[in-house]
Amino acid sequence: AQKITQTQPGMFVQEKEAVTLDCTYDTSDPSYGLFWYKQPSSGEMIFLIYQGSYDQQNATEGRYSLNFQKARKSANLVISASQLGDSAMYFCAMRTTKTNTDKLIFGTGTRLQVFP
Amino acid sequence: DVKVTQSSRYLVKRTGEKVFLECVQDMDHENMFWYRQDPGLGLRLIYFSYDVKMKEKGDIPEGYSVSREKKERFSLILESASTNQTSMYLCAIAGDLNYEQYFGPGTRLTVT
Repeated sequence: AQKITQTQPGMFVQEKEAVTLDCTYDTSDPSYGLFWYKQPSSGEMIFLIYQGSYDQQNATEGRYSLNFQKARKSANLVISASQLGDSAMYFCAMRTTKTNTDKLIFGTGTRLQVFP
Repeated sequence: DVKVTQSSRYLVKRTGEKVFLECVQDMDHENMFWYRQDPGLGLRLIYFSYDVKMKEKGDIPEGYSVSREKKERFSLILESASTNQTSMYLCAIAGDLNYEQYFGPGTRLTVT
């Protein structure tokens, strides 16, 4: 079964500190993609970062980086130098080629709160 | 920039009403999706479409139908709204690079 697991319902971090949001995945498909999305209180889902299963390097986008550990089936999001505006829900998602569609499977999310 | 719009941000309907949620994209993307989001459950796929007049059921299609008569517009229909369909509804399109999905602002539907 294909599944995304986010075990942290909520996280707190102080402004300017780094924080890691956990994500583990389960798939038997050798080719897959992993995504992270941010959902502020306004409700819109914002695409942050992507990692392909065959990518040799960990993905980075500005202050976001993805700590991809294939053997452990984990794809943790690292946010460096947290800002108050980073307070939001964060969702990890996966796409596999097995179903031959562009479907994404989402985790249940982690609520991050950044305090001054 | 990809732009996905949804017809309403907030909607209140009565039980038994027929409800239409509309999603419009401004690019020529083929794949469009409807999700519902509930606390503690993440996003769950209701239906998706990969071309005009083409549709496929997602994980929770019961109680919903969809329509895609034009490429840019994908509608979600609640034939007879029920209180358990109170939720946030999100429309998305698939990008061209890594099939990342881009979302509309969402519609928060309340059925009373």
